[in-house]
Formats: sequence, structure tokens, C-alpha cells
Amino acid sequence: EADIYQTPRYLVIGTGKKITLECSQTMGHDKMYWYQQDPGMELHLIHYSYGVNSTEKGDLSSESTVSRIRTEHFPLTLESARPSHTSQYLCASSELGATNEKLFFGSGTQLSVL
Amino acid sequence: LAKTTQPISMDSYEGQEVNITCSHNNIATNDYITWYQQFPSQGPRFIIQGYKTKVTNEVASLFIPADRKSSTLSLPRVSLSDTAVYYCLVGDRQAGRRALTFGSGTRLQVQP
Repeated sequence: EADIYQTPRYLVIGTGKKITLECSQTMGHDKMYWYQQDPGMELHLIHYSYGVNSTEKGDLSSESTVSRIRTEHFPLTLESARPSHTSQYLCASSELGATNEKLFFGSGTQLSVL
Repeated sequence: LAKTTQPISMDSYEGQEVNITCSHNNIATNDYITWYQQFPSQGPRFIIQGYKTKVTNEVASLFIPADRKSSTLSLPRVSLSDTAVYYCLVGDRQAGRRALTFGSGTRLQVQP
């Protein structure tokens, strides 16, 4: 079993609040990803990281930001949540450098902004 | 940009073999092809991965022709619990760096 954890599992907040979605992995993986997925829709890459102090934006424009201060931790922050941010957020990790990389996903955070 | 194309949905019955084909015309020379399974409200889970010819594990087989521009995931004797969305992934290039982006996936519905 993959050791990648996301908290909280569910979050309901009001508009304008600042939130941080947590993602941690204990596998020592260098690469980490954040995907956003609406119900019944495909996953969209919003951020990824190659390692500590490395962050890149994905193909879906997002108002969120990420940081990578430690290898095992890749939090995602929304400075001012809006109803349009309501979605499922999935974190994943993989080993760096391999063209045969395999993604390990967390259980996701279901965010609802009222 | 290596994008993938799959059928949006497929229907099958319990006990049948299901084959899902994915097109990836721009796959890079050294990239592998990886398939994932996703159930509602869960993150995708790795099923199988291959580079060429045929790969088989305990849950599926993966067929890749010589030109590697497509691949076929084969699920033998599906059951109701195989109802899920299946994604194929190949490498992608974002600002010159390698990332992994998902296509629309194939929604498989298995009937009794």
C-alpha cells in the first residue's frame, strides 16, 4: 500500500477563507503532484514539484499556490476561497527521473466553498 | 505534448473480456504507457505499465504494437467491481519538464 496522506478528507468553508490542504508521503519520493477533479470529469494537473524548493504550474490555471520545503510535504493553499474552487483535490507522488514512473495517490480532499 | 485518446465509455457483462484501446500518437521514444483505475471519490490506482509488446499481471494484460502509437488494456472476465474509470497515461512536457497529465478516461460499466 502507498503511504500518501491527505487531510482533511472533507472540508466545507465559507467564501473568502484561507485554507491549506495537506499532503504528506513517507516513501521518500521526489516528485509530487496536485490534481483537481470535478465529479464525473477528468483529472486536471494544477501543480507539481520535482523536489525541495521546486514547484511548477500545471496545465490548468489555478488560483492556488503550493510550497515544497520538505521532501515529504506538499501543501496546497487557497488565499481566498470561492464557490468556483469547489472540487476534489488529489495529491500524488512518484520517484524522480524515471520514464516509467508510477503515481501513488492519496484519498483526496473534497472541498466545498459556500 | 503527448495526449491520449480513449473511448468515453464502454459497457460489458460479468464474465466477459473487456479491451480498452488508447491512442498516443506523440509518445516519446523512452516513455512508458501506464494504466490507472479510478473508483468514485477515490484517487486513481495503478493497474499495469509497459513499454512494448505484451505485459501481463494478476489483474490485466497490456498490448502495445511495434509503433507504440496505441495500447490496449485487456481485463479478463470482468466483474461488477471492475466498474470504474480507466485512464492511460504517457509522459508529458510542461515548460520543458516532464509531468503526467490525464486524458478523459474510459468509463466502464459492468452489468450483471
